[in-house]
Amino acid sequence: AQKITQTQPGMFVQEKEAVTLDCTYDTSDPSYGLFWYKQPSSGEMIFLIYQGSYDQQNATEGRYSLNFQKARKSANLVISASQLGDSAMYFCAMRGRLTGGGNKLTFGTGTQLKVEL
Amino acid sequence: DAGVTQSPTHLIKTRGQQVTLRCSPKSGHDTVSWYQQALGQGPQFIFQYYEEEERQRGNFPDRFSGHQFPNYSSELNVNALLLGDSALYLCASRTAGRSWGYTFGSGTRLTVV
Repeated sequence: AQKITQTQPGMFVQEKEAVTLDCTYDTSDPSYGLFWYKQPSSGEMIFLIYQGSYDQQNATEGRYSLNFQKARKSANLVISASQLGDSAMYFCAMRGRLTGGGNKLTFGTGTQLKVEL
Repeated sequence: DAGVTQSPTHLIKTRGQQVTLRCSPKSGHDTVSWYQQALGQGPQFIFQYYEEEERQRGNFPDRFSGHQFPNYSSELNVNALLLGDSALYLCASRTAGRSWGYTFGSGTRLTVV
């Protein structure tokens, strides 16, 4: 079975500051992928960043980077230079190649991020 | 390039009724998955369709069924609605060859009264 744990129900950050959203995972799959999604109040899940379990380097996408520590089973999202538009719910998710045949994403419970002036 | 389109955006149904939700995948995508997101929770996988067949199913009862059409669009049907079925239902599409390239729609918010 796969499990994603997000222990921060809510986070506050000042505009232009960096923020780290925590994510730990558990899986018996030797090959898996980790995702971060942003969900504004409109409901759409917006893809932010992806990290494969065999990727040697941490993934980066613009202001987003994923701090992947495989031995600790953590995949934290770092948002640099926060903007007011970053205020939203953030979900960590994973997909296993063997568990579920790679078809399903398993999500955490999310972290509500509020960016303040 | 249109993304994933879901309809309707909002829906109110009475307990015991049946509902059909619709999803048009992103252009070029051939695989559709459905997720249920209860208030304050992360999305839960319902099932996935590829080549008009259900390929995998999550832990949902048979009241939840689906269909995929030749144009890759999909429907989610829920029979005998319960109050607990109230949720945001999200559709996600991807191409079969890109297992990480999921695109989500904005969802259908279903309220059962």
